[in-house]
Amino acid sequence: AAGVIQSPRHLIKEKRETATLKCYPIPRHDTVYWYQQGPGQDPQFLISFYEKMQSDKGSIPDRFSAQQFSDYHSELNMSSLELGDSALYFCASSFRSSLKYEQYFGPGTRLTVT
Amino acid sequence: SQQGEEDPQALSIQEGENATMNCSYKTSINNLQWYRQNSGRGLVHLILIRSNEREKHSGRLRVTLDTSKKSSSLLITASRAADTASYFCATDAISSGSARQLTFGSGTQLTVLP
Repeated sequence: AAGVIQSPRHLIKEKRETATLKCYPIPRHDTVYWYQQGPGQDPQFLISFYEKMQSDKGSIPDRFSAQQFSDYHSELNMSSLELGDSALYFCASSFRSSLKYEQYFGPGTRLTVT
Repeated sequence: SQQGEEDPQALSIQEGENATMNCSYKTSINNLQWYRQNSGRGLVHLILIRSNEREKHSGRLRVTLDTSKKSSSLLITASRAADTASYFCATDAISSGSARQLTFGSGTQLTVLP
C-alpha cells in the first residue's frame, strides 16, 4: 500500500538560511499534518490542512509557513533557520471525511541547522 | 503542555515475555492512538481505540482504555527482539479543533533482549 512520502529525507542548512520540506499524502487522504520532533523529544504538532485549507495551528513559529496544493501535497517553508530548528519533521495524513482518524506518518525529514 | 505521560520511560525484558506500557492523559478525548518508532525513524501506527471502547486487540497487541482514569495501556505479548523501539501514545482531544491533531506522550523505550 502507498505510504506518505516526504522529501528530502535529510537536509543540512546553515543558520539564517531557508528550507522547504515536501509531503505527499496517501492517495485519497484529505488531511495533512506537520509535526516536529526534537532530539529525545516527543512529536509536537505544528499545523494541519484539510481539503487544501489550513485547519489548525499548533506550536509553529512565525518563521515557518505551510500550504497544501491542489494535488494535496503540502510544503513546509522554514525561513531564518535557527540551531534549535534541528529536528525530525514528520508529515502525516488521514482520511477525515470518511471519519477515519488514524494518522499515517511519513519517514520524516531530518533537518540539521549548523 | 504535554497531554500524555507514559510509564515506564524505559522497559527492558527478555524475548518471549509480555511488555506493558501505560499512558495517562489530561483532557477528554475522541480517541487514543499508539505508535511505534524505531530510533530516528518514522512513526508507525499500531492501533486506535475510540473513547467509547474499552479494549481492542490487533495481533499480539492489546490496548485498554479507561476514560474515567484518563489512562490507557498497551500490552505486547510474546515479545520479540524486533519489538525493540519507542512506543508513544497520542491523544486526539475533543478540544483539538477541526483537524484532530494528535498530542503525543513522552514515550516508552522498550528493549527486548534475545
